[in-house]
Amino acid sequence: DSGVTQTPKHLITATGQRVTLRCSPRSGDLSVYWYQQSLDQGLQFLIQYYNGEERAKGNILERFSAQQFPDLHSELNLSSLELGDSALYFCASSVGTETYEQYFGPGTRLTVT
Amino acid sequence: SQQGEEDPQALSIQEGENATMNCSYKTSINNLQWYRQNSGRGLVHLILIRSNEREKHSGRLRVTLDTSKKSSSLLITASRAADTASYFCFHPYNNNDMRFGAGTRLTVKP
Repeated sequence: DSGVTQTPKHLITATGQRVTLRCSPRSGDLSVYWYQQSLDQGLQFLIQYYNGEERAKGNILERFSAQQFPDLHSELNLSSLELGDSALYFCASSVGTETYEQYFGPGTRLTVT
Repeated sequence: SQQGEEDPQALSIQEGENATMNCSYKTSINNLQWYRQNSGRGLVHLILIRSNEREKHSGRLRVTLDTSKKSSSLLITASRAADTASYFCFHPYNNNDMRFGAGTRLTVKP
């Protein structure tokens, strides 16, 4: 158990809908990262927050947004969902910035039908 | 393009054999990290080697780093069926580029 929790574990929704994925980092970790993993794209970095502020942005679509709250938990919002958004979404946390080891949550499997 | 390129893409060995996988990168690094992922699960951090280190051990894992060649290798000795997983390298230089490679898929046959 990495200490990172993600909810929900599974999510099935229809195209055009909006969903919110939630992540609670390990106690004491200030950074939260979001990744998308699909069979054809591998593990794609989406966005990183550090102590409430956006620190780095990767291949995150404009339809996606995220935030980190004062209690350091984070939410990833996916809107206008398309079939191609079906993937595993991982959250990870680290005590500091990106030079520290990351601890991954179990992931949320999103299926868009 | 991916920053961390693992090689080979897939590796199949017998239990008890050693497994070696390599990672190449393009920029200067602060450190290089290896992760393991069992199918459908989150990545698990294995080992971190700093840019001023050349070799590091952790149990049956041995990691080397050659900054002049911009490459690293992960050796798993006396492999077990439970080592079957995908292995990724990750090497953050700064917050502008944080990507994992495509990984090496290791299969250890009992």
